[in-house]
Amino acid sequence: AQKVTQAQTEISVVEKEDVTLDCVYETRDTTYYLFWYKQPPSGELVFLIRRNSFDEQNEISGRYSWNFQKSTSSFNFTITASQVVDSAVYFCALRNSGGYQKVTFGTGTKLQVIP
Amino acid sequence: DTEVTQTPKHLVMGMTNKKSLKCEQHMGHRAMYWYKQKAKKPPELMFVYSYEKLSINESVPSRFSPECPNSSLLNLHLHALQPEDSALYLCASSLQDGRPNEKLFFGSGTQLSVL
Repeated sequence: AQKVTQAQTEISVVEKEDVTLDCVYETRDTTYYLFWYKQPPSGELVFLIRRNSFDEQNEISGRYSWNFQKSTSSFNFTITASQVVDSAVYFCALRNSGGYQKVTFGTGTKLQVIP
Repeated sequence: DTEVTQTPKHLVMGMTNKKSLKCEQHMGHRAMYWYKQKAKKPPELMFVYSYEKLSINESVPSRFSPECPNSSLLNLHLHALQPEDSALYLCASSLQDGRPNEKLFFGSGTQLSVL
């Protein structure tokens, strides 16, 4: 069985602050893929990043960065210098390889950036 | 064109009504999905179509009936729904199904209220 835990239900920060969203996962597979999706108030989930289990390199994309640590089964997401447009619900997700495996979403973290 | 378009955006229906949700994508994707999302919860997979054939039904009640007329269109026919079926219904697509690294492209959803 696989599981994704996002312990932070809601976070509020003031604009320009940095914020880290935590994601911890459980899986017995050695090959798997991790994702982050953003769901703004408009409703659609937007893909942010994908990482496979063999690639532990951290990634930076503009103000966004991701820290993947296999040793602690974590895939945390940091927004630097947050902006009001970052306000959304963020979902971490996991998908195992091998046969059909559906995406397992975490429960989401609602981020509110206050101007 | 990287959009998944869903109509209608909002739908209110009685328990005896029959209605349909529509989803369209023109990205050449061969896998299409229906997800159900209750408030403050992650999306839950309902159905997967792969190459216009139903490949996954996550034990969804028969009052929900999916249809994939062609590779660009996905419908969800609703009949005799219950108030607890009120939710955001999200359509998604991906290049192919069965590849665990596939990222999903989501529509903005249909907010359904069953009275």
